[in-house]
Amino acid sequence: ETGVTQTPRHLVMGMTNKKSLKCEQHLGHNAMYWYKQSAKKPLELMFVYSLEERVENNSVPSRFSPECPNSSHLFLHLHTLQPEDSALYLCASSQDMQGGYNEQFFGPGTRLTVL
Amino acid sequence: RKEVEQDPGPFNVPEGATVAFNCTYSNSASQSFFWYRQDCRKEPKLLMSVYSSGNEDGRFTAQLNRASQYISLLIRDSKLSDSATYLCVVNGYSGAGSYQLTFGKGTKLSVIP
Repeated sequence: ETGVTQTPRHLVMGMTNKKSLKCEQHLGHNAMYWYKQSAKKPLELMFVYSLEERVENNSVPSRFSPECPNSSHLFLHLHTLQPEDSALYLCASSQDMQGGYNEQFFGPGTRLTVL
Repeated sequence: RKEVEQDPGPFNVPEGATVAFNCTYSNSASQSFFWYRQDCRKEPKLLMSVYSSGNEDGRFTAQLNRASQYISLLIRDSKLSDSATYLCVVNGYSGAGSYQLTFGKGTKLSVIP
């Protein structure tokens, strides 16, 4: 609906598993973002890619590893996560990061539960 | 001081009521401002952009006061479908010509029949 899709929508994983979240945008945008949304907290920016180059890493633990193979796709690789990493992971895109008037469009999110 | 601060609510209002949400931000260099709406267990969706002193879209009016670093959202004639969490979002300069969004925690609105 918004032009940004995410898979899977729900994911349950153990602490020793390795999994990946996928995001795809069909809007022709040049910037893509990963956010984490935990209960009772504001959205936390994790990573930003502009023209397939990582431009921001907001002190995210190395157990989260992003990958942006092209401007339409963004992945978040997960390994040895902790239960406190359980949250809604949202992908977003915007036309670019230049100028202060870019709106971001969000995907439906992946609800992650770490057991 | 929190970067973007909102009253978490909940605001419980009857159908047809007028309700206003306030938001303050700490970065005086912020360029643009948005209100997003987030339904339970769904993604945030853009409701309104606020680029100057404010704007109106149907039943929704957003106002910006740069001197006081304050944004508001007014909803008139509330509908049941307006029940959601409203996120105040501020776009600020993050360096090297780039801008990033900072989100408030959101204000929860419940419109009651």
